Amino acid sequence: SYELTQPPSVSVSPGQTARITCSGDALPKQYAFWYQQKPGQAPVVVIYKDSERPSGIPERFSGSSSGTTVTLTIRGVQAEDEADYYCQSADSSGTYVVFGGGTKLTVL
Amino acid sequence: QVQLVQSGTEVKKPGASVKVPCKTSGYTFTGYHMHWVRQAPGQGLEWMGWIKPSSGGTNYAQKFQGRVTMTRDTSISTAYMELSRLTSDDTAVYYCARDGCDGDCYSGSFDYWGQGTLVTVSS
Repeated sequence: SYELTQPPSVSVSPGQTARITCSGDALPKQYAFWYQQKPGQAPVVVIYKDSERPSGIPERFSGSSSGTTVTLTIRGVQAEDEADYYCQSADSSGTYVVFGGGTKLTVL
Repeated sequence: QVQLVQSGTEVKKPGASVKVPCKTSGYTFTGYHMHWVRQAPGQGLEWMGWIKPSSGGTNYAQKFQGRVTMTRDTSISTAYMELSRLTSDDTAVYYCARDGCDGDCYSGSFDYWGQGTLVTVSS
């Protein structure tokens, strides 16, 4: 079955830039979405369609795509950004939704 | 405002079934696909499938085919996810999540989530 691969963890100091990658063979064909999940809460979308930012999401969150890899970038990381981040997309046919394994962002 | 409201907790014995409701308000229930996603304790998100409330059509993840049934009651704007033959591996928080496509379409992403229902399977 199709998989999306993320690093398990990323650590940055406040004010620095965090980059979280997500790799999958179908990403050139299918949009990617990014969700932020804090403990005990439901996920919240922070990036949709590879690079679009929903209203209410801070401008420091951005997304990009290059070939089979998509990247979530958080510039000027703040303590409140510490959370789990999941990429999500679909298989090449668009039939099945897939999540990456998640990346725990730690703000040092 | 859009709301997806889920019940708090269910406790089931191995081999039993569970039916989780997701009551919606604040939008046209039949206008958006509804997805179900689960998350085992300390683990990642796992997509289970979707239902199209206007037609009742469904699409299930291969892992759950034969064991999951998604239904809806349009009169009360509520979606349901029923999972049968439960084992301890099914202990998880089960979320309903609205598809992010605005209108009679499909995006395969999620814009609003319920707060989740914890299903515990234990003898």
